Amino acid sequence: SQQGEEDPQALSIQEGENATMNCSYKTSINNLQWYRQNSGRGLVHLILIRSNEREKHSGRLRVTLDTSKKSSSLLITASRAADTASYFCATDGNQFYFGTGTSLTVIP
Amino acid sequence: DAGVIQSPRHEVTEMGQEVTLRCKPISGHDYLFWYRQTMMRGLELLIYFNNNVPIDDSGMPEDRFSAKMPNASFSTLKIQPSEPRDSAVYFCASSFQGQKGANTGELFFGEGSRLTVL
Repeated sequence: SQQGEEDPQALSIQEGENATMNCSYKTSINNLQWYRQNSGRGLVHLILIRSNEREKHSGRLRVTLDTSKKSSSLLITASRAADTASYFCATDGNQFYFGTGTSLTVIP
Repeated sequence: DAGVIQSPRHEVTEMGQEVTLRCKPISGHDYLFWYRQTMMRGLELLIYFNNNVPIDDSGMPEDRFSAKMPNASFSTLKIQPSEPRDSAVYFCASSFQGQKGANTGELFFGEGSRLTVL
């Protein structure tokens, strides 16, 4: 399976701290995407990083990709209570495989 | 565009009953995916379509599950007969790839259909 696996499964931090989540996958990819899911809602796309990119930024988000290690990380800087959600990585192919997600809780 | 629209949002049914979940993808999108989400198994890809044609249904758990996409603006996921272990949130997602080949674009998700089978 190409399924991504996020680590840690759960993360609790104080508002203002940085949150780092990791994703590992098993096979070659064209790109890797990160999604966010608020409780009871659908997933929302955050950022896409292509296999020839090593780092990408979008606002308070920073994503890195290491294809040699088949891993990616998502960093959320200066976290806010509103960042509380589950975060998923997804690897491509002709179909998208999602990991089990990291549940992030930001304590005000 | 209103985004991906799923119905019903909530469904409670009894074991053995037929369940039909519906999805309207974003207009112009050429890929449609059905996922199932549970606490134990996370997000599982059930089936996906390209230009209304089912491409890979290897994730469909059993013959009790079937999915159709009769046109570009509508898809259904049917469970017949339903069982308690089918209880989950079912998501539909769509994306546009055009002539790019492999599906590499952003997925747009609906809000999901929460199914409870008693």
